[in-house]
Amino acid sequence: DTAVSQTPKYLVTQMGNDKSIKCEQNLGHDTMYWYKQDSKKFLKIMFSYNNKELIINETVPNRFSPKSPDKAHLNLHINSLELGDSAVYFCASSRGENQYFGPGTRLLVL
Amino acid sequence: GQQVMQIPQYQHVQEGEDFTTYCNSSTTLSNIQWYKQRPGGHPVFLIQLVKSGEVKKQKRLTFQFGEAKKNSSLHITATQTTDVGTYFCAALWGGYQKVTFGTGTKLQVIP
Repeated sequence: DTAVSQTPKYLVTQMGNDKSIKCEQNLGHDTMYWYKQDSKKFLKIMFSYNNKELIINETVPNRFSPKSPDKAHLNLHINSLELGDSAVYFCASSRGENQYFGPGTRLLVL
Repeated sequence: GQQVMQIPQYQHVQEGEDFTTYCNSSTTLSNIQWYKQRPGGHPVFLIQLVKSGEVKKQKRLTFQFGEAKKNSSLHITATQTTDVGTYFCAALWGGYQKVTFGTGTKLQVIP
């Protein structure tokens, strides 16, 4: 009965590959987010979706493309992975107030 | 864009000592939230402050929102080893859909 789940938990891949991270929430929330947390622990918002529509798209390379097939899912696809993409990626959801975070996906690009 | 700074960046305290982290925004905020992230974990919501000058308490934790709604603080009384983690403030505006997390304060408690 996990509220916000992400898969995979760990992802190790080579530079130049394309990968996807999936996120699902069973809280009935309208808004979902993707965050990137770097090695210094800075949490930076990447995207925000409300009812499957993109609300926020911060300065993120267009190699990152979010996809929301329905309100409960927000996936993140990354093309041509670079070393600097190594980080922990958190999905979160909310209904107006506090955000519920997923467990994170630890991405390592070699 | 919106910038939210937190100080200090790191704090080591002896168990039983008090701890305070401060969050400062360059602009007036709608609301501010506080989160705690344990090592290896994900951010977990602690509290939301909405009103100017608001003070809220949760057991040993006291949260305050500044009068000008540009700063906030989190104070922990008599720290315990379970308080270890990174504390983030998060500034909200634009109807909750725009959010900027602070730079975080990493707390280490020495037993």
